[in-house]
Amino acid sequence: GENVEQHPSTLSVQEGDSAVIKCTYSDSASNYFPWYKQELGKGPQLIIDIRSNVGEKKDQRIAVTLNKTAKHFSLHITETQPEDSAVYFCAASKGSNYQLIWGAGTKLIIKP
Amino acid sequence: GAVVSQHPSRVICKSGTSVKIECRSLDFQATTMFWYRQFPKQSLMLMATSNEGSKATYEQGVEKDKFLINHASLTLSTLTVTSAHPEDSSFYICSARALGVGDTEAFFGQGTRLTVV
Repeated sequence: GENVEQHPSTLSVQEGDSAVIKCTYSDSASNYFPWYKQELGKGPQLIIDIRSNVGEKKDQRIAVTLNKTAKHFSLHITETQPEDSAVYFCAASKGSNYQLIWGAGTKLIIKP
Repeated sequence: GAVVSQHPSRVICKSGTSVKIECRSLDFQATTMFWYRQFPKQSLMLMATSNEGSKATYEQGVEKDKFLINHASLTLSTLTVTSAHPEDSSFYICSARALGVGDTEAFFGQGTRLTVV
């Protein structure tokens, strides 16, 4: 079955710098890759997603890139702000009828 | 984005009692709802998948008689933790996917912190 690996487990960056979180997946049939942000004591919130027919997607300070050949995708956050501090999860799915397979999460710490 | 409302956000119950958690999609119809359990500093662990009008599909190792799931309508799914024990204390999260063609986003509830004393 699908396996999703996420790195790093903890990432500390200076406010204003960029942060990059990487995930790899094993099942080449996966075609949907969302990223979620989870704040303490809350449910995950979708921040951006990408489908396998595109290589990059951007939404203001957040971007996701997908390399289908290498089976990896990355989350890029530019101009980081204190409110970006949270745990970020990547996931992969083969379609809406299939469950999301989750990465282990990355705790992002933005240092003032 | 779409809203999934989960209630209650926190609950404390005594050992041996049952607790019901509700998950509602407020502005869309959810054919599929998922129930997760999350331990501190860990990823989400899928417990079961429920489709409206049919029995839930439980993941391996999850006791279906202990974690009762009912997906009675396209906007409501419930998880009942029966005969709760302290080891059932955890953060439970539901998510819902909308009716649609192709891939659709999964929207999550706010989570329920269950403490069994």
